[in-house]
Amino acid sequence: DGGITQSPKYLFRKEGQNVTLSCEQNLNHDAMYWYRQDPGQGLRLIYYSQIVNDFQKGDIAEGYSVSREKKESFPLTVTSAQKNPTAFYLCASSIERGPRPQHFGDGTRLSIL
Amino acid sequence: DQQVKQNSPSLSVQEGRISILNCDYTNSMFDYFLWYKKYPAEGPTFLISISSIKDKNEDGRFTVFLNKSAKHLSLHIVPSQPGDSAVYFCAASPSNTGKLIFGQGTTLQVKP
Repeated sequence: DGGITQSPKYLFRKEGQNVTLSCEQNLNHDAMYWYRQDPGQGLRLIYYSQIVNDFQKGDIAEGYSVSREKKESFPLTVTSAQKNPTAFYLCASSIERGPRPQHFGDGTRLSIL
Repeated sequence: DQQVKQNSPSLSVQEGRISILNCDYTNSMFDYFLWYKKYPAEGPTFLISISSIKDKNEDGRFTVFLNKSAKHLSLHIVPSQPGDSAVYFCAASPSNTGKLIFGQGTTLQVKP
């Protein structure tokens, strides 16, 4: 089945540590996105990539970094500079930039120990 | 600055009746609108979308209405079913970008 796989589903981080969240898609989609969801809030865009080796900051990029070395993969690193990293992180992809629905993975919940 | 707003945090309806979820936006550059459904600990699932050149789009039990002059869209679910109980997010996309701006979500409960 085609889809988006996020791993792990639950992740714990100690203060001061960087942590990388995985996102893999086999939908042959060009564009990929990372969102963050906090309780009672909508999804907020962290980073997005429309093509391999290119990505742009979203609305809340501070404290995060990404790479897009392969079409299928768009990992997100939550760095120690992110002061409030506890959240639900969602990865999405779409066939191309423009008016197309984005399809989401099942998310990773990150918690601080 | 909340560009997409869902002012009702929750909605409760009886099975078989109509559910109406509302969404307001402020940016006139938005030209593509979507509704997503989300269960706890899962990713959102795309439901239905509408382009700004239309005022209505229908897919089975789901209909989205767009009122551009009022900057308002709504999702109608008829008839509502208990399995429709979830959080519903509206989202909007500015012209020719892949970015989506999401509302805060509305929790729908459909009672049997």
